[in-house]
Amino acid sequence: RKEVEQDPGPFNVPEGATVAFNCTYSNSASQSFFWYRQDCRKEPKLLMSVYSSGNEDGRFTAQLNRASQYISLLIRDSKLSDSATYLCVADGDTGRRALTFGSGTRLQVQP
Amino acid sequence: DGGITQSPKYLFRKEGQNVTLSCEQNLNHDAMYWYRQDPGQGLRLIYYSQIVNDFQKGDIAEGYSVSREKKESFPLTVTSAQKNPTAFYLCASSFGTGVTGYTFGSGTRLTVV
Repeated sequence: RKEVEQDPGPFNVPEGATVAFNCTYSNSASQSFFWYRQDCRKEPKLLMSVYSSGNEDGRFTAQLNRASQYISLLIRDSKLSDSATYLCVADGDTGRRALTFGSGTRLQVQP
Repeated sequence: DGGITQSPKYLFRKEGQNVTLSCEQNLNHDAMYWYRQDPGQGLRLIYYSQIVNDFQKGDIAEGYSVSREKKESFPLTVTSAQKNPTAFYLCASSFGTGVTGYTFGSGTRLTVV
C-alpha cells in the first residue's frame, strides 16, 4: 500500500465549478500535511498546509480527518489558471524526517 | 531574493558516465532533500540531509551519492550504477530538523543519450 494515495484523475470541470480532491495516508503517526500544486514540467509549489481544524485560503479549503486518515482539498469557483496537478503530502515514518508525496491529481478546468 | 537554485536545467549523460547536479540555497535552511520524478508519477526521495556533514538514504538511494560540506550546498551525483537515470530531479530545502513545508528548486531534467 502506498503511503499517500490519490486519485490520478484527470478531473475535467467547467470554469466556475467546485471540485474536491481526497487523499489517504497510511501512517497514523503522521503529523504534518500539505497540498502542493505542480504545473506541467515545473517544480511543486506549496499551496497550503492542512490543519486538524481545517483551513481556508480564498477559494481553497483543506480538511484533515485523522480518524479516517484522509485529507481533502476543495476548490470553489474554478479558474482556468487552476489547471495543474495537485500533490497531497504527509510526513512519513517518525524515524525519517522527510515528506512523502502522493502521485498527484490532475485538474483541467475548461472554458 | 532568497531562493534555491538548481543547475543545469537540462543535462544529457552518456551511458557509463557520472554526472553531478548542483543545488544551492540562500534561505539559511538547515535541511535539504533530493527527489526524483518520473513522467506521470509522484516524487520519490533519494537522499536528505538535516545538518552539515550528515545525510540519510531515502527510498531510492542506489546509484546516487551526495555530500553536504556546506549548509548552502547539497550536490547529487548520478553514478553509472544508476541503470535508469532519465528523470526530473528536484532539490528542496526547509527550516529546522523537523518536518515543515519545503521550498523547491526549479529542477534538473536529466536524459541519458
